[in-house]
This record gives sequence, structure tokens and C-alpha cells, in this order.
Amino acid sequence: DAKTTQPTSMDCAEGRAANLPCNHSTISGNEYVYWYRQIHSQGPQYIIHGLKNNETNEMASLIITEDRKSSTLILPHATLRDTAVYYCIVLVGNQGGKLIFGQGTELSVKP
Amino acid sequence: EAGVAQSPRYKIIEKRQSVAFWCNPISGHATLYWYQQILGQGPKLLIQFQNNGVVDDSQLPKDRFSAERLKGVDSTLKIQPAKLEDSAVYLCASSRAANYGYTFGSGTRLTVV
Repeated sequence: DAKTTQPTSMDCAEGRAANLPCNHSTISGNEYVYWYRQIHSQGPQYIIHGLKNNETNEMASLIITEDRKSSTLILPHATLRDTAVYYCIVLVGNQGGKLIFGQGTELSVKP
Repeated sequence: EAGVAQSPRYKIIEKRQSVAFWCNPISGHATLYWYQQILGQGPKLLIQFQNNGVVDDSQLPKDRFSAERLKGVDSTLKIQPAKLEDSAVYLCASSRAANYGYTFGSGTRLTVV
């Protein structure tokens, strides 16, 4: 299973872009990169996922390097409500897949 | 669409007692997962169902934990007997298929005293 490495914690000023890095150097060609976040006392929430190309949705953008060994989740205008633990996960398996969570990055958005 | 429903929201039991958690996934989602999240850690996968069959239960402590998904819809996770180290949030998630986003429930917070 491909493993991911993320910084333990990060701070970001409210209104600024939050850039959360993730290393996944052992990722296989058919494995997707998923990002989830978990706000205190809630279940994890899906943010975005991608395979090779950069992706954007209403919540965030995902930038995947050409060699696919790392990616960056971008929250373009962070708000206090974005304070959460962010998990970068490589989806393994070919029958429904299974999300294997690491420790994640604790993002603190400050006024 | 309705989310993943879990109950109870909170449970406090004494060690050596038994406890059961219930999960109702999103309608039409074939894949169901149970995760255990100990305070300060990321969720740990316990078991994965595809319809009513077990795909992966390699991380499930089978001497005390059991899970079933009768009729391929809702699921129950049971612990018997509970230990202090079982104190955690138990999360249920469901997915339509591989490489689709998973939806998590709010979890059941278990405290074993």
C-alpha cells in the first residue's frame, strides 16, 4: 500500500490560501490521491480526489506533480471554519477500495 | 440525499460489558466500512463489506469484535467483552463503488470505564 507523508501541523491566516503538501512517492499508476478533512467531533468529509491531472471543485484545488510522487491541496481563501485535520490518502484496492488514514495535517486558520 | 446514519451517538459502558453500534449507509451504496478512531489518531479500518460479503477484516480483533451486514444494507458492529482500550469513536462509511468519494457518518463515541 502506498504510504503518505504530511506535516503534522500548519497555520494559515484567514483569507489567505492554505497549501497543504503530501508526499506519496510509492504511489502506483492506477492509484488515486484523495483528500479528506475532519472537523472536531465530526466524521471525515470528502474534499477532492485526482489521478494525474489537476482538479478543482467548489471546496479546493488539487495539484499533482507530473511524477505523481507528491501533491498539494489548496484552499484558496481559508476561513476559520476550515480549521480541521486534513488527510491525504492513496486509494488502494480494486474492489471498492479502502481508505487508509495516516496522522494528517492539523490546519489552524487564525484571524 | 440522506447521509450515513449511525446510532447511538454516545455510549458509556463498563469493561467486560458488551455493546453494539448500528449503521445505515446511503441508499444504493454497495460498500460499507467500519473504522475505529482513537483520540489523537487517524481512523483505522476495521472491516469492509461489499454488499453483504466481507472483503477485508484483517484488522478486526475477532476475539472480541464482530460485524455483520445482513441483506447488504445496514450493519452492526459488536464488541464483547469490551476493554478499556476500546474507548474510541467508531465511524461508519459507505461508497457507491471504487474511486468514488466515501461518505462518513458522525460516529459513535464509546467510553469504556
